[in-house]
Amino acid sequence: NIVLTQSPATLSVTPGESVSLSCRASQSISTSIHWYQQKSNESPRLLIKYASQSISGIPSRFSGSGSGTDFTLSINRVESEDFSIYYCQQSYSSLFTFGSGTKLEIK
Amino acid sequence: EVKLQQSGDELVRPGASVKISCKASGYTFTNYAMYWVKQSPGQGLEWIGTIIPLIDTTSYNQKFKGKATLTADKSSNTAYMELSRLTSEDSAVYYCAGQIRGRGYFDYWGQGVMVTVSS
Repeated sequence: NIVLTQSPATLSVTPGESVSLSCRASQSISTSIHWYQQKSNESPRLLIKYASQSISGIPSRFSGSGSGTDFTLSINRVESEDFSIYYCQQSYSSLFTFGSGTKLEIK
Repeated sequence: EVKLQQSGDELVRPGASVKISCKASGYTFTNYAMYWVKQSPGQGLEWIGTIIPLIDTTSYNQKFKGKATLTADKSSNTAYMELSRLTSEDSAVYYCAGQIRGRGYFDYWGQGVMVTVSS
């Protein structure tokens, strides 16, 4: 199985700061990584597909980068509605796996 | 508008089985696979398995073989997941999800079903 390791587990920031969340794969997966946001008691929401491709309806402050084993989700100037948990997911293998998540919290 | 509407939360006894549903609308049900994902309390997400309604083909995460059984009813555009021999480890939220606008990523999700296993 492809293991995805997200770091940090928790990130405390002040609204208006810009942040980067990391996702590292246990083997090279090209750009087959996708990012989700999950707010409390809600279903996950797709933010970024294939490492860097934007999704219709998602604010432009969210962006993704990376290839191979190292990936980053960036949020430019965090807003109050962004405080939630972020997950990465790989589709390089048909045995889909998710990272353990990064919780973005208010400092 | 694509929508995945899941059945209600369940409270079930240890050792029993439960069958949850996911009714699809807004797209051609048979043209797309349906996926199921588990989220244990305070934990991350795990892919359980996939069903392709058109040909009734399933694939499972090895971890869930023997635990989950996926089926689909093409006449009602509904996918089902049955969980058997339930234990406390099965208490979780279960989502159905679709890859509608592309492949590899889940762009549509049901609202989730909370299954609580308790005597």
